[in-house]
Amino acid sequence: EVQVVESGGGLVQPGGSLRLSCAASGFTSSSYWMTWVRQAPGKGLEWVANINQDGTEKHFLDSVKGRFTISRDNAKNSLYLQMNSLRAEDTAVYFCARDQDIVVVTAHHDAFDVWGPGTMVTVSS
Amino acid sequence: AIQMTQSPSSLSASVGDRVIITCRASQGIRNDLGWYQQKPGKAPRLLIYAASSLHTGVPSRFSGSGSGTDFTLTISSLQPEDFATYYCLQDYDYPRTFGRGTKVEIK
Repeated sequence: EVQVVESGGGLVQPGGSLRLSCAASGFTSSSYWMTWVRQAPGKGLEWVANINQDGTEKHFLDSVKGRFTISRDNAKNSLYLQMNSLRAEDTAVYFCARDQDIVVVTAHHDAFDVWGPGTMVTVSS
Repeated sequence: AIQMTQSPSSLSASVGDRVIITCRASQGIRNDLGWYQQKPGKAPRLLIYAASSLHTGVPSRFSGSGSGTDFTLTISSLQPEDFATYYCLQDYDYPRTFGRGTKVEIK
C-alpha cells in the first residue's frame, strides 16, 4: 500500500525545537518531490516547504525561512522537517505529502496525491 | 505571495444540487491550480490538478475549469459523501498558497 506516515509531533515551549519525520512506504520516495503542509486548529491549509528528489532544491514559506529546514534520506525513504525557534503560531497539524509533479504538455503541475494522517505540534508554555 | 480568494466561504446545499466554488488569484497563474477536498479530522484529498485534470479515482461529477486568474470547481450532482471543505492551491510560484476554503454543508 502506498502511504506516508508522520511522526515526531508534541508539546514544545516557545523558542524550542522539534524534528518531524515522514516515513514513506509502498513507493520509492526518491522519485518524487515531497511537501509539508500544516493546518492550525480550526483553520485552513498552509503550505510550508518542499524538497526535490535529490534534496538539492528546497522552498519555504516566508514565515518559516531561517527557522525550519527540510531534508530527506532516500536510503531510508524518509522526509524530515527540523523546526527551530518555534512560535505559538506554528501550532498546527503537520501533514507530509507526495507531489506527483505531473507534466501536462511541457508544464509541471503539483499534485499532492498521497498524504499522511498528520502529526500535531503544539507550541505553548 | 500570490493571494487566492475563494468564494463562498461556506454554502448549504442538498443532495443532487449543482455546486460551484470559485477561486480568484491575485495575479495570472496560467492553469497552475489544484483543488483538494478535506473532511473533518482527515488529510486532504487531491481532486483536480492543472485546473481541469481529474485525478485518478475521483468521480466524474467533479470538474474544474479556468485559466489566468479565475477558476471554478463544479460538483454536478452533490452526493452525501461530498459534504466537506474544499481548497484551491496555486502552484505557479513560491510560496504555494491555498485559498481559505469553502465548507459545503447539508441544507
